[in-house]
Amino acid sequence: LAKTTQPISMDSYEGQEVNITCSHNNIATNDYITWYQQFPSQGPRFIIQGYKTKVTNEVASLFIPADRKSSTLSLPRVSLSDTAVYYCLVGDEKGSYIPTFGRGTSLIVHP
Amino acid sequence: EPEVTQTPSHQVTQMGQEVILRCVPISNHLYFYWYRQILGQKVEFLVSFYNNEISEKSEIFDDQFSVERPDGSNFTLKIRSTKLEDSAMYFCASSEGQGRELFFGEGSRLTVL
Repeated sequence: LAKTTQPISMDSYEGQEVNITCSHNNIATNDYITWYQQFPSQGPRFIIQGYKTKVTNEVASLFIPADRKSSTLSLPRVSLSDTAVYYCLVGDEKGSYIPTFGRGTSLIVHP
Repeated sequence: EPEVTQTPSHQVTQMGQEVILRCVPISNHLYFYWYRQILGQKVEFLVSFYNNEISEKSEIFDDQFSVERPDGSNFTLKIRSTKLEDSAMYFCASSEGQGRELFFGEGSRLTVL
């Protein structure tokens, strides 16, 4: 199971772009990269998933370099409501895959 | 939008009592999970369930815990004899398949006194 490493916390201001990078040096060929967001006292919520290059949806973009040993979640023009914990998970659809959450990155957006 | 629902939202119980937490996963999902989160700590995997049986479980999921899908829609977590350290938020999740997006419920907060 690929282990992930993320910054413990980040601070930003409203309107800025925020990039959170996750390291996963031992990612396997079949592994996907998935990001979740969690607000206090709520369950995690799926943000985006990707395998390689770039994925974009209405909420965020996910950049994955060619070696796939890291990934960057990009949140454009954050607002106060983006203050949350962001988790990077790595795993595949085959075999035994237990979606495992680490400590995540606590993002605080300031006015 | 389909969602995972959990009941109760909050339960207070005495140490040693049995607790059942209930979840209704999204109807066409095949994989079901229970996680817990002690206040201020990370989300911890408890158990996964597929094809009417446990597929994976963590060290936390000891003999005091059990899961059941009694009627094809509900997915329950039972704690036989609660301990103080079982106090946590318990989250149910479901997914269409392994490695696919997890959909979480709002959680059930368990307080053991």
